[in-house]
Amino acid sequence: AQKITQTQPGMFVQEKEAVTLDCTYDTSDPSYGLFWYKQPSSGEMIFLIYQGSYDQQNATEGRYSLNFQKARKSANLVISASQLGDSAMYFCAMTTNSGNTPLVFGKGTRLSVIA
Amino acid sequence: KAGVTQTPRYLIKTRGQQVTLSCSPISGHRSVSWYQQTPGQGLQFLFEYFSETQRNKGNFPGRFSGRQFSNSRSEMNVSTLELGDSALYLCASSLAVLTSTDTQYFGPGTRLTVL
Repeated sequence: AQKITQTQPGMFVQEKEAVTLDCTYDTSDPSYGLFWYKQPSSGEMIFLIYQGSYDQQNATEGRYSLNFQKARKSANLVISASQLGDSAMYFCAMTTNSGNTPLVFGKGTRLSVIA
Repeated sequence: KAGVTQTPRYLIKTRGQQVTLSCSPISGHRSVSWYQQTPGQGLQFLFEYFSETQRNKGNFPGRFSGRQFSNSRSEMNVSTLELGDSALYLCASSLAVLTSTDTQYFGPGTRLTVL
């Protein structure tokens, strides 16, 4: 079974600074996908970025990039030039191709951006 | 393109009652998954439907059930409500059967309070 670990319950970052949110994963399946979602206080889960296990390059989407280190089984999210609107819960999740595997989430990191 | 919609957004019920939540996926998406989110347990997978068939089920009691219609819309039902069923219920849709490369897009959620 796959598992996602997010060790930072909460983080603070100054506006306009970059921040890294940690995520480690565990799976025995060689084919998997890693996802990051943002959940503002309104509750909706907003998809941010995706990284496939066979992707050669780190994924990037605007101010979001994923620092994928396969050997270390880590998939850290980097947010550049933080904005006040980035304050939210951030979840790392994964799924695999073996069997019927649902999306498995970590416990999340609450990011607070300070002006 | 419209996103995933969920109705109702908020619901208050009493113990012993039953409740039905509705989810309309993104147009063209055929897979719908349901998740329960609570402060204590985090995000937990309930079930996944594809082409009106339940493909996967999480570790929840039989009081939790769901179905999917031919237009891919889905409903979930919780019977004999308990206080512990109070949660945010999130619906997510994806193009096809969930694999490691398929992204799930979430709706705004239904916040259920059981008194």
